[in-house]
Amino acid sequence: NAGVTQTPKFQVLKTGQSMTLQCAQDMNHEYMSWYRQDPGMGLRLIHYSVGAGITDQGEVPNGYNVSRSTTEDFPLRLLSAAPSQTSVYFCASSYHRGRPDTQYFGPGTRLTVL
Amino acid sequence: TQLLEQSPQFLSIQEGENLTVYCNSSSVFSSLQWYRQEPGEGPVLLVTVVTGGEVKKLKRLTFQFGDARKDSSLHITAAQPGDTGLYLCAGVGTGTASKLTFGTGTRLQVTL
Repeated sequence: NAGVTQTPKFQVLKTGQSMTLQCAQDMNHEYMSWYRQDPGMGLRLIHYSVGAGITDQGEVPNGYNVSRSTTEDFPLRLLSAAPSQTSVYFCASSYHRGRPDTQYFGPGTRLTVL
Repeated sequence: TQLLEQSPQFLSIQEGENLTVYCNSSSVFSSLQWYRQEPGEGPVLLVTVVTGGEVKKLKRLTFQFGDARKDSSLHITAAQPGDTGLYLCAGVGTGTASKLTFGTGTRLQVTL
């Protein structure tokens, strides 16, 4: 199993550009989520999904869209990038929802918005 | 919004020393997890504590969940350079979404 994969590893955008961060997992996990990590702030939840076709907002959803058309994939879209979105983005998945299950994280995407 | 504060924010110690990292909140969590993150990688789960007052040991690491399920601590005995990393606590919310609220993180450096 590859686990949770994320692409790209690094990305530089100009203000106003759009892009999609890809996330895929091959563990048949129901629960998937996106976090951003900024210095001194831990990880903050952007969006999450409890299954295909179901998504919901997390703590910091503004400026981001998600969709979950399959169990495996959970892309994160930046509609119009802003410098405040410069961060490291992590995708995570877990098997069970509603239980304190192990969350498996991808290697992250480091995004810089100029 | 549930907040988790970790202290200290940074810790630099020598090999063989003991240390304790604290994770505090005013909110109650159904359970609490501790993760370690290496540079350039995603966090990796170390332990989950579920019951108030629970103590779990993982080799030289001891984790405790507060009686009221609002706080937790991580104690490392005889730290080694391999313990270097970012330690994150994460509170598991109630309900079906099982959302995690992460702490602010403690960056540990252990030198020879």
